Amino acid sequence: GAGVSQSPRYKVAKRGQDVALRCDPISGHVSLFWYQQALGQGPEFLTYFQNEAQLDKSGLPSDRFFAERPEGSVSTLKIQRTQQEDSAVYLCASRWDANTGELFFGEGSRLTVL
Amino acid sequence: AQKVTQAQTEISVVEKEDVTLDCVYETRDTTYYLFWYKQPPSGELVFLIRRNSFDEQNEISGRYSWNFQKSTSSFNFTITASQVVDSAVYFCALSESVLDSNYQLIWGAGTKLIIKP
Repeated sequence: GAGVSQSPRYKVAKRGQDVALRCDPISGHVSLFWYQQALGQGPEFLTYFQNEAQLDKSGLPSDRFFAERPEGSVSTLKIQRTQQEDSAVYLCASRWDANTGELFFGEGSRLTVL
Repeated sequence: AQKVTQAQTEISVVEKEDVTLDCVYETRDTTYYLFWYKQPPSGELVFLIRRNSFDEQNEISGRYSWNFQKSTSSFNFTITASQVVDSAVYFCALSESVLDSNYQLIWGAGTKLIIKP
């Protein structure tokens, strides 16, 4: 597709379940970002990939959060043993150039942990 | 410390009115970038503008205009003759990285704009 695609759009998980959120960036985009957006707040940085290399994961809130981009294209954000505080919208963004250019965002995956 | 403040949580106006969204930032760097993004109900963040700290010229794009004032650390956004389709949450953001201006954006909390017909 033409834009950044994220799936699932909505996910409801029971506390303790593992979830996987997928991001399909715009073809050819080098950089990929994951953000967490709580209700009524701006996005919070989670992690950043340049091609398949995860250059920064300083924003991941705990070791239950893991992200990968093995072939430098599709990325998966995995959350293990979900907690209620993980409930948020997870946004993926990509950019064609490593250092400049605007970010293109997906519509996000809304995770609700019961 | 880096910080972006959007003091207006929600603004509601009637269609065709002009509306200004405020953004005040804090940074110790002399070189930085400022952004505005729009988040419609569908959820994706749509890039509107990027401005670097050396360019204080105001910018106009159709009904949108931006007023950057370093003296007051503000980067306000005005929509002229608002339309219902302008209804969205608008975010102001700051980046202090010169080499990678979209990286490590510091986001404001957003202003929800409601345009009533």
